[in-house]
Amino acid sequence: DIVMTQSPDSLAVSLGERATVNCKSSQSVLYSANNRNYLAWYQQRPGQPPKLLIYWASTRESGVPDRFSGSGSGTDFTLTISSLQAEDVAVYYCQQYYTAPITFGPGTEVDV
Amino acid sequence: QVQLQESGPGLVKPSETLSLTCTVSGGPMNDYYWSWIRQPPGKGLEWIGYIYNIETTNYNPSLKSRVTISVDTSKNQFSLKLSSVTAADTAVYYCARRDGYSTPFDYWGQGTLVTVSS
Repeated sequence: DIVMTQSPDSLAVSLGERATVNCKSSQSVLYSANNRNYLAWYQQRPGQPPKLLIYWASTRESGVPDRFSGSGSGTDFTLTISSLQAEDVAVYYCQQYYTAPITFGPGTEVDV
Repeated sequence: QVQLQESGPGLVKPSETLSLTCTVSGGPMNDYYWSWIRQPPGKGLEWIGYIYNIETTNYNPSLKSRVTISVDTSKNQFSLKLSSVTAADTAVYYCARRDGYSTPFDYWGQGTLVTVSS
């Protein structure tokens, strides 16, 4: 199985400031044939299901604000919230869909 | 707009079988990958398995011996059965969709809490 790790476990950011969440996979999720990273980011607000934010490591899902961005390749990835809003308080998960079993990171709690 | 809704008992006794159904509305079921994912209270997400076009299934090896996922396209539903449950199977169970074999989960149900307790 590909093991996903995230750091930090939690972080507190002032409104309007930048939040950065890191994700690392135990093996590369970059498929060389198409140069795509099979890595997604989800936001989970309390009491809600996860919501897809980013896929292919850096492509924003339709309707996701452009303050959310993803970067990285291979085994190291980053989710950045450029200017934290109150509604961004949530747990953020990375997930690899390169190979089964699909696996998720343990989550990073972002708070104000 | 595609919508998914989980249903089933909220309480299951230890050693019994957990059974849940996901009803899909607003879109077809054919040619999509339909998954179950669970989240123990206060913990992270665990993929359970998927079904594709009735006959193709893939289960998490950690649960494979206890899991069955089936689909009834005439009712626009797919189902999860998890046998021999213990307290460790207490979780919010989500159904979710992927639009390809190697794609992320784009639609999720709201989730249903299943507690395993006598």
